[in-house]
Amino acid sequence: SQQGEEDPQALSIQEGENATMNCSYKTSINNLQWYRQNSGRGLVHLILIRSNEREKHSGRLRVTLDTSKKSSSLLITASRAADTASYFCATDPNNAGNMLTFGGGTRLMVKP
Amino acid sequence: ETGVTQTPRHLVMGMTNKKSLKCEQHLGHNAMYWYKQSAKKPLELMFVYNFKEQTENNSVPSRFSPECPNSSHLFLHLHTLQPEDSALYLCASSQGVGAYGYTFGSGTRLTVV
Repeated sequence: SQQGEEDPQALSIQEGENATMNCSYKTSINNLQWYRQNSGRGLVHLILIRSNEREKHSGRLRVTLDTSKKSSSLLITASRAADTASYFCATDPNNAGNMLTFGGGTRLMVKP
Repeated sequence: ETGVTQTPRHLVMGMTNKKSLKCEQHLGHNAMYWYKQSAKKPLELMFVYNFKEQTENNSVPSRFSPECPNSSHLFLHLHTLQPEDSALYLCASSQGVGAYGYTFGSGTRLTVV
């Protein structure tokens, strides 16, 4: 079964607004990662947060991790049309030989 | 370019054909992966190689055959595929297996007719 599930499946916002995407997972993890994918292309690694971390920042990205709730969120501030893409969370379960498993993704559309 | 190069970018093959997908990285990474991405489904891990040794075969049908001749190159040999095998095949690499981010190639869009 799927380890990570993103919510919402699709999100449409105006340029300049903030976008928040959530990820829930089932088993305990070593780390959680967020990736971005433009249509028909490969995934690009955005940020990795370890199980003992609660929050991480990278530019306009802010990731939180709540291991008690088995959930993470990705916040993109001051969104741009170029942020339009699919965003995936991936977990590194600590009982799976350190193999990344991906969720179904959130499709974000930022309207200019 | 991400540093992981996949060829070809697009491939159309008949069910009786034999073809190969190629992945190459010169990032000094020790682990390489094949993922399958089908429409409306999460990425599916297919194979993992760590230091040229296959460490994971995620119940993939034998019509998919991986090969890792060295830590920089990874192949996926295809034969007698089915139309449902049509998908985007993504190669990725990482410094090691564990708490590392993956670097993905742009993928090969495979269509089986």
